[in-house]
Amino acid sequence: QKEVEQNSGPLSVPEGAIASLNCTYSDRGSQSFFWYRQYSGKSPELIMFIYSNGDKEDGRFTAQLNKASQYVSLLIRDSQPSDSATYLCAVLVSGGYNKLIFGAGTRLAVHP
Amino acid sequence: NAGVTQTPKFQVLKTGQSMTLQCAQDMNHNSMYWYRQDPGMGLRLIYYSASEGTTDKGEVPNGYNVSRLNKREFSLRLESAAPSQTSVYFCASSEAAQPATFGSGTRLTVV
Repeated sequence: QKEVEQNSGPLSVPEGAIASLNCTYSDRGSQSFFWYRQYSGKSPELIMFIYSNGDKEDGRFTAQLNKASQYVSLLIRDSQPSDSATYLCAVLVSGGYNKLIFGAGTRLAVHP
Repeated sequence: NAGVTQTPKFQVLKTGQSMTLQCAQDMNHNSMYWYRQDPGMGLRLIYYSASEGTTDKGEVPNGYNVSRLNKREFSLRLESAAPSQTSVYFCASSEAAQPATFGSGTRLTVV
């Protein structure tokens, strides 16, 4: 079982819709969770981070964390064509040393 | 505001050659990471260093070695390059549970 799992997509949504990206993780002791966006040929850039159960909102983005279900999600409201990218879920795995593990990423395509 | 600096940006190696990828950060972060990214895939952890003087294997360490030279610098060495190591390599750094900052990447081709 991979430590961080994401649906590879592509996830295709119309402009203005809500895009929902999901991620599950295996290490129950993990405490820190991150969403990065990566455009083709570029470095990952941080979109959101969340540490506590519940929702965290920043502009059009909402991160949701459910530690009991080992599940973290990212919602993008009013999706724009410029949101078309690969979204990477990352988990800081516990156990003494900080080990940051990424999922395989979900490719999002927003069409006009 | 340099952040994380990786060198070189591009490199072509012949099979069997060796090289070292350099990474330096100026944010006084304790943790540093090396990842590889193959086409259409996520980031796979090669090695990481939680603090100066410590290094640990990640998901795909075979064929690589690392050195945490000091708090700023974390290098990745390929002793005998193979075509399977053709990839984009990213270095990142972070502090405690804070988000990681990435370098711009090194595109390596092994022929």
